[in-house]
Amino acid sequence: ETGVTQTPRHLVMGMTNKKSLKCEQHLGHNAMYWYKQSAKKPLELMFVYNFKEQTENNSVPSRFSPECPNSSHLFLHLHTLQPEDSALYLCASSQGVWSGTYEQYFGPGTRLTVT
Amino acid sequence: ELKVEQNPLFLSMQEGKNYTIYCNYSTTSDRLYWYRQDPGKSLESLFVLLSNGAVKQEGRLMASLDTKARLSTLHITAAVHDLSATYFCAVDPRSGGGADGLTFGKGTHLIIQP
Repeated sequence: ETGVTQTPRHLVMGMTNKKSLKCEQHLGHNAMYWYKQSAKKPLELMFVYNFKEQTENNSVPSRFSPECPNSSHLFLHLHTLQPEDSALYLCASSQGVWSGTYEQYFGPGTRLTVT
Repeated sequence: ELKVEQNPLFLSMQEGKNYTIYCNYSTTSDRLYWYRQDPGKSLESLFVLLSNGAVKQEGRLMASLDTKARLSTLHITAAVHDLSATYFCAVDPRSGGGADGLTFGKGTHLIIQP
């Protein structure tokens, strides 16, 4: 595997379900991010982790719970979601939050549908 | 709050023509990024602009940054159909004291017709 991978690629869940999204980066980076891309809004930053520590929580509802066990893996745990949470969830990584270029590399995304 | 505005949001153009996409942002920053997204795909990094006056070119695309005007442009020369995609600019607000993470524009949906 190379780059940033995400699983699953598609997920349909009911509002009472609990599911998790997984992201893995194979780039040796130290910072990882979750973004939400929905049809009605620009790409929105959700969470930032740098060296496994959360540095940003962009006012995300508590029904989204991130977890970063190490610099290569990032999870987004989902529970009691709402239909408006249906979106493409993108994971990204960069060398580090304070690295020179701060260029982010994105995974393919998970298309989430909440029914 | 940092705002990033792109225009136009939709652009349909013919092959062979030139056009420019504009990206304005509202706070101090000297780091700006351009990404491309094809339908159903993720974001692909195109350009990283890290200083005032930075200009980068790749094939038919050229990006520039004017930090004083808080403006970046993405210029398309002699467009070809393969360039049809959605183009996003993104700003790193930290050099202006902002938070971690990029702030994206809404994207410009570009269609190039034969």
